[in-house]
Amino acid sequence: GAVVSQHPSWVICKSGTSVKIECRSLDFQATTMFWYRQFPKQSLMLMATSNEGSKATYEQGVEKDKFLINHASLTLSTLTVTSAHPEDSSFYICSASPPGDSTEAFFGQGTRLTVV
Amino acid sequence: GQNIDQPTEMTATEGAIVQINCTYQTSGFNGLFWYQQHAGEAPTFLSYNVLDGLEEKGRFSSFLSRSKGYSYLLLKELQMKDSASYLCAVKDSNYQLIWGAGTKLIIKP
Repeated sequence: GAVVSQHPSWVICKSGTSVKIECRSLDFQATTMFWYRQFPKQSLMLMATSNEGSKATYEQGVEKDKFLINHASLTLSTLTVTSAHPEDSSFYICSASPPGDSTEAFFGQGTRLTVV
Repeated sequence: GQNIDQPTEMTATEGAIVQINCTYQTSGFNGLFWYQQHAGEAPTFLSYNVLDGLEEKGRFSSFLSRSKGYSYLLLKELQMKDSASYLCAVKDSNYQLIWGAGTKLIIKP
């Protein structure tokens, strides 16, 4: 099946610093990628839809200035958590689907962010 | 609003059969997915239903009734490694995935 690679798998950072997470589709082009956040024992919550060559679409309640998304190519989207705080500690997951509306979503490995 | 309901937690015995139900109310329907997620890992795809009926894939089967807004995931010959969360997700009219909260399945020896 299709492969989506996410990096890093885990990161620990100090409060006030910024962290960049990369999401790559390795064997297909993805005009759209999705960024999710998951707190312990909770389901996936869509944060934003990353669109290649245009601005990301953010879900209600997600601060676009805090969670910067860049989708500069058809195989790479990045999420930057700016001025991170302990409450930003979470599991962040990206996903993408090969062309075709009925296809499954493939997920990156996820990034465990801990802000200390 | 859009809503997907599934039980929070279920317990079953190794070797047995378990059925995890999912009901949904979404703006449009373009397919229903079941994913498995182990703690701390990303979800992995299990099944996809877009037409009514049963889809069988090895030990796992998934059923869909669009008129009832209902699906279930059936796991047979349960193994300890099947202990995980099972997520039901529906693609709405915009082809966006709407996720259920997940069902934590606990397998006991």
